Amino acid sequence: NAGVMQNPRHLVRRRGQEARLRCSPMKGHSHVYWYRQLPEEGLKFMVYLQKENIIDESGMPKERFSAEFPKEGPSILRIQQVVRGDSAAYFCASSLTGQGTNGYTFGSGTRLTVV
Amino acid sequence: GIQVEQSPPDLILQEGANSTLRCNFSDSVNNLQWFHQNPWGQLINLFYIPSGTKQNGRLSATTVATERYSLLYISSSQTTDSGVYFCAVRQTSGSRLTFGEGTQLTVNP
Repeated sequence: NAGVMQNPRHLVRRRGQEARLRCSPMKGHSHVYWYRQLPEEGLKFMVYLQKENIIDESGMPKERFSAEFPKEGPSILRIQQVVRGDSAAYFCASSLTGQGTNGYTFGSGTRLTVV
Repeated sequence: GIQVEQSPPDLILQEGANSTLRCNFSDSVNNLQWFHQNPWGQLINLFYIPSGTKQNGRLSATTVATERYSLLYISSSQTTDSGVYFCAVRQTSGSRLTFGEGTQLTVNP
C-alpha cells in the first residue's frame, strides 16, 4: 500500500528551462494538493485538484505555474521559464475525500534547484 | 484565512528532557495534524487530531477545539527527535490545510 509518490526527488534546472513535478496519490485518493516550502519557511498552499478539475488555485503564482490531474496518470505541477526564486521543496498531499476529515498524506517532496 | 501560530519558534533540549509544543488557531477546524520534518526534509505525519487526545509511544497530542489550540508533548526526548514540528489545520469552511511556521527542535546528546 504505497503512500504518496513524488518524482523526481531532486531536480536541477537552468534558468529559463521548464520543470515538471509528478505526484501519484495514495490508492483510492482522488484529491491532490500541492504545497511549496521555501528555504527556512513553512509550507504554503498552492493548488487543490480533483480528477480532471482544479478546485482551488488561489495559492498559485499567476504566471509560469500550472497544474493538472488527468483522468489517468499522476498529477503534474509545471513551472515554465524557471527563475532562481523558484528553488524550493514542492510537496504533494492526497486525501480520500475533499472534506479533509480523514487526514492528508504527504509525499517526500521534490527539491527543485534553479542554477 | 485562518491564522495558525506555533510556539515556541525554537527549542533546545538535552536528551531525556520533556517538552510541550503549542499550536493556536483562529477559527473552527475539522482537521488538525502534527507533522515532523526531519533534517533530511521528509514530512512525517505524527497525529491526525481534530479533537481529543492521542498517544503514540513517547509522543502524545491534545486538541481542545472549542478553545482553538493543540498541544504536542514529547517525553524523554532523543536526538532523533530533532527537526521542525509543524501544526496544520483545515478550516471547517475551507478546502486545504494551512500550516503554522513550525517549531525548530534541537535535542543535544
